[in-house]
Amino acid sequence: QSVLTQPPSVSGAPGLRVTISCTGRSSNIGAAYDVHWYQQLPGTAPKLLIYDNFNRPSGVPDRFSGSKSGTSASLAITGLQAEDEADYYCQSFDSSLSAVVFGGGTKLAVL
Amino acid sequence: QLQLQESGPGLVKPSETLSLTCTVSGGFISSSSYYWGWIRQPPGKGLEWIGSIYYSGSTYYNPSLKSRVTISVDTSKNQFSLKLSSVTAADTAVYYCARPHSPRTPSGLNFWGQGTLVTVSS
Repeated sequence: QSVLTQPPSVSGAPGLRVTISCTGRSSNIGAAYDVHWYQQLPGTAPKLLIYDNFNRPSGVPDRFSGSKSGTSASLAITGLQAEDEADYYCQSFDSSLSAVVFGGGTKLAVL
Repeated sequence: QLQLQESGPGLVKPSETLSLTCTVSGGFISSSSYYWGWIRQPPGKGLEWIGSIYYSGSTYYNPSLKSRVTISVDTSKNQFSLKLSSVTAADTAVYYCARPHSPRTPSGLNFWGQGTLVTVSS
């Protein structure tokens, strides 16, 4: 059971918008610890997609955006493309565990 | 551009100690205020943070692994290492080393090694 909760899967048609939720608690997201998002393509290392809740590293398209409110965060992907099919993970820090924590991951299918 | 590369045995026997090294190039471990971390991913499963070490040597470990994990840094070789003792089949995973985007936090991992599969089997 992951400390951060994500839906196991989401799907969307090309060109449309999807969101992936990440639900935490008062000791992590709710305690104002930053949320980060990763994209993992099959057989590759994760890639940082969003850091510090809403910032994009250089080279990440602005189709990807992050938000945070209370004990939850979301990743939005607009203009879905076939190449966006991947696993997506949220990540934060938990003060009660003194640990970096990941969500269980969400598999995105582009229909 | 910072690059990280994991190395170590791909097969470890049950009850033995898994040892991996991450070699850093394109930057110096000792020259900046960054954490350096280990993350693993069992086949077909999600990501699990193992622990992180600060450039000065202080460490954070996953509470569920803390009794078996040691992370150390060798600044003379620009490497940091992972030791996981008393391994079982449940420790079979791809092991990644990584560094965050920002200093002074173990989170927001921007630079990753390619990962190395470690199988625990007799």
